[in-house]
Amino acid sequence: DQQVKQNSPSLSVQEGRISILNCDYTNSMFDYFLWYKKYPAEGPTFLISISSIKDKNEDGRFTVFLNKSAKHLSLHIVPSQPGDSAVYFCAASAAGNQFYFGTGTSLTVIP
Amino acid sequence: NAGVTQTPKFRVLKTGQSMTLLCAQDMNHEYMYWYRQDPGMGLRLIHYSVGEGTTAKGEVPDGYNVSRLKKQNFLLGLESAAPSQTSVYFCASSYPSGYEQYFGPGTRLTVT
Repeated sequence: DQQVKQNSPSLSVQEGRISILNCDYTNSMFDYFLWYKKYPAEGPTFLISISSIKDKNEDGRFTVFLNKSAKHLSLHIVPSQPGDSAVYFCAASAAGNQFYFGTGTSLTVIP
Repeated sequence: NAGVTQTPKFRVLKTGQSMTLLCAQDMNHEYMYWYRQDPGMGLRLIHYSVGEGTTAKGEVPDGYNVSRLKKQNFLLGLESAAPSQTSVYFCASSYPSGYEQYFGPGTRLTVT
């Protein structure tokens, strides 16, 4: 059973606009969440993370929001750029040894 | 620094054949992981290691074995390949309690 879900397989956004990628989880023991970005034929690369003691973390154009009561996190990219076109995975962990990944959302930023 | 490297990049096996995938990292990371990525399934953890000489099962360990004889290397073995093991395999490494994982470029394996 999928413990981390990304219900939108794809998303298209105009350059300069905001991209919002969503992720839901079922395990209330998860205490750390990460977003990875993946280009074709490459391995995922770390983007941003958030601990369960926070509800927001920012890094430049990227912001992750965590809503623990709803078991939901989202990644905001503002402004979106064509180079942001990639597959984005969210991942979650309880105690840090095993990570559970979502199925990914393919983002296309249209110039 | 090469980061995380994986050998080979591509491989085609016949059902029942065996092979070993090699992962190497030069970042002195304690933790290493093997994942598989399948369409519609995301990345799923096969096995992981929290240090030299230690291994543990992940989400989908059946049909695979691993060994971590040296800190920098993590080997994934398929003793008798099955078509269900057709996938892209990713290796990753991290510091202890360093939740950020560094991934290799992947190995595309096809079992016919």
